[in-house]
Amino acid sequence: EAGVAQSPRYKIIEKRQSVAFWCNPISGHATLYWYQQILGQGPKLLIQFQNNGVVDDSQLPKDRFSAERLKGVDSTLKIQPAKLEDSAVYLCASSLGGRPLEGEKLFFGSGTQLSVL
Amino acid sequence: DAKTTQPPSMDCAEGRAANLPCNHSTISGNEYVYWYRQIHSQGPQYIIHGLKNNETNEMASLIITEDRKSSTLILPHATLRDTAVYYCIAPGGTSYGKLTFGQGTILTVHP
Repeated sequence: EAGVAQSPRYKIIEKRQSVAFWCNPISGHATLYWYQQILGQGPKLLIQFQNNGVVDDSQLPKDRFSAERLKGVDSTLKIQPAKLEDSAVYLCASSLGGRPLEGEKLFFGSGTQLSVL
Repeated sequence: DAKTTQPPSMDCAEGRAANLPCNHSTISGNEYVYWYRQIHSQGPQYIIHGLKNNETNEMASLIITEDRKSSTLILPHATLRDTAVYYCIAPGGTSYGKLTFGQGTILTVHP
């Protein structure tokens, strides 16, 4: 079974530039998550999609971050403009039905490491 | 979400059992306890979860105290590849509750 695919693996940009990350979840998984992981910390949820609708984006900095999941499959996360504090690993995860509280597993990709100079 | 407390780091000798504790004293009756781990440069990986009873799978065992205020993840025969950050999570009770990761425990397995 193919896992969660993310690209690019690494990205280096200068502050105020824009950047986009792509995620392809496991086939058949209805729920897709984007997490931000700053060095030395645990992952923090940015946004959760159920099919192509947003379930939770309460921690997404909406003035600069945006995400979409067209057709309920692939997703892109964009940052525009980037700040130094956005340097982090951006992780995408997917799950079958969006019910992690009921024993449902999340499957994570390897992430995109972003460095903002 | 129930607050979880884990030691920041632990060491274990290769081949010995690794016992990772987690305190979740504010957990409510219907909240599962989950364990994930993150190996360097990879995304987190699901290990095991439980509600009230002890659980075992091919990766680990989970022992939950009777009052559910704490749990222990057991890796019965730790290998060098088990060196990772281990996260104990007790999500909140909403239908689409999110998994909130804390700092976790850095487990280092020594030869």
